[in-house]
Amino acid sequence: AQTVTQSQPEMSVQEAETVTLSCTYDTSESDYYLFWYKQPPSRQMILVIRQEAYKQQNATENRFSVNFQKAAKSFSLKISDSQLGDAAMYFCAYWSGNNDMRFGAGTRLTVKP
Amino acid sequence: EAQVTQNPRYLITVTGKKLTVTCSQNMNHEYMSWYRQDPGLGLRQIYYSMNVEVTDKGDVPEGYKVSRKEKRNFPLILESPSPNQTSLYFCASSFLGLSPLHFGNGTRLTVT
Repeated sequence: AQTVTQSQPEMSVQEAETVTLSCTYDTSESDYYLFWYKQPPSRQMILVIRQEAYKQQNATENRFSVNFQKAAKSFSLKISDSQLGDAAMYFCAYWSGNNDMRFGAGTRLTVKP
Repeated sequence: EAQVTQNPRYLITVTGKKLTVTCSQNMNHEYMSWYRQDPGLGLRQIYYSMNVEVTDKGDVPEGYKVSRKEKRNFPLILESPSPNQTSLYFCASSFLGLSPLHFGNGTRLTVT
């Protein structure tokens, strides 16, 4: 079964600085999606960014970008110019489109003013 | 507005008292799923459904039931809740294939 590992239970960053959250996954599939979801204290699960495995170009959404290394099965999230509103739990997720989106255990990000 | 609606948001109950958490989506999604979120474990799938009348077990199905009589609804049923089912529950839906999941706002369940 596919597994997703987030090795950093907690991270902190100074406001306006850059932070990178790590994620690795294990799969034998060749076609899949990877996602980062943000969960603020409101508990909503908010899609931050997605990456299709067949695309070599790294996805970017405003201040959020990923470093997707398919061979290494690594999918890190970079947040640039961190803002107080970025403080949340972040989940990395793997989705092969079959039956089960697999989630990592999450990384709690604190942003210091 | 496209959304997944989950109710209730908070629920406190006692051991053994049957309960149902409702989930409804208005996006005509084929796929629906239930997850539970526990600290340090991320989200784990309970049950999923690929279409009407088609349901299957996820990673942690014990103690739960689901049904999919209509495309838009996918209720989660706890016939005899126990304290180890205290958790945060999410319903999610998507189109089949590689499209992202849309989540409900979660249900915080406490079983005493």
